[in-house]
Amino acid sequence: GAGVSQSPSNKVTEKGKDVELRCDPISGHTALYWYRQRLGQGLEFLIYFQGNSAPDKSGLPSDRFSAERTGESVSTLTIQRTQQEDSAVYLCASSLGLAAQGPQYFGPGTRLLVL
Amino acid sequence: SQKIEQNSEALNIQEGKTATLTCNYTNYSPAYLQWYRQDPGRGPVFLLLIRENEKEKRKERLKVTFDTTLKQSLFHITASQPADSATYLCALYNFNKFYFGSGTKLNVKP
Repeated sequence: GAGVSQSPSNKVTEKGKDVELRCDPISGHTALYWYRQRLGQGLEFLIYFQGNSAPDKSGLPSDRFSAERTGESVSTLTIQRTQQEDSAVYLCASSLGLAAQGPQYFGPGTRLLVL
Repeated sequence: SQKIEQNSEALNIQEGKTATLTCNYTNYSPAYLQWYRQDPGRGPVFLLLIRENEKEKRKERLKVTFDTTLKQSLFHITASQPADSATYLCALYNFNKFYFGSGTKLNVKP
């Protein structure tokens, strides 16, 4: 079916506001991943889900970040009390089967700007 | 934790030549190592995956090697074309986390 989709594509918010980013993986993909990419830098792993479970949440930068996945489908990444340092592109990816054993298919990303 | 090192300097080569990109990692060897291509403003696109028991993997003009003794993977593009110009990322999985290198930018000049 269709590829990984993310919404919104762009988000501008004020410092201190909460934002919610959404990822719709490829249908049937059991693994889902979130990354952050600051301008001109590499991908920073945040969290991954196998089904609806996240084996390890220690990659999240702070307790202002949280993520959930329901129905082995859509996932949301929530950033509370946003800071300017949160400005980045947030990328979501999904893969078939067990994580790490196959290619990840990336969405176009959500570009977040915190003023 | 795991660290991945890719040459941060851009690699400039002439069309038709072979491009060779390097990915070095520290600590534990992963079961799988992956290579991706990223174009400006886009998400990475998967290219090749190599397992720890595989020395070499090929796909069309692409070749990846994996040396767990050296803790290194090499990525080759033969007969390079200007359309191959992009940033190439290596990635591996250890202990419930995924690690991506910062990428090497390849410029293929006509």
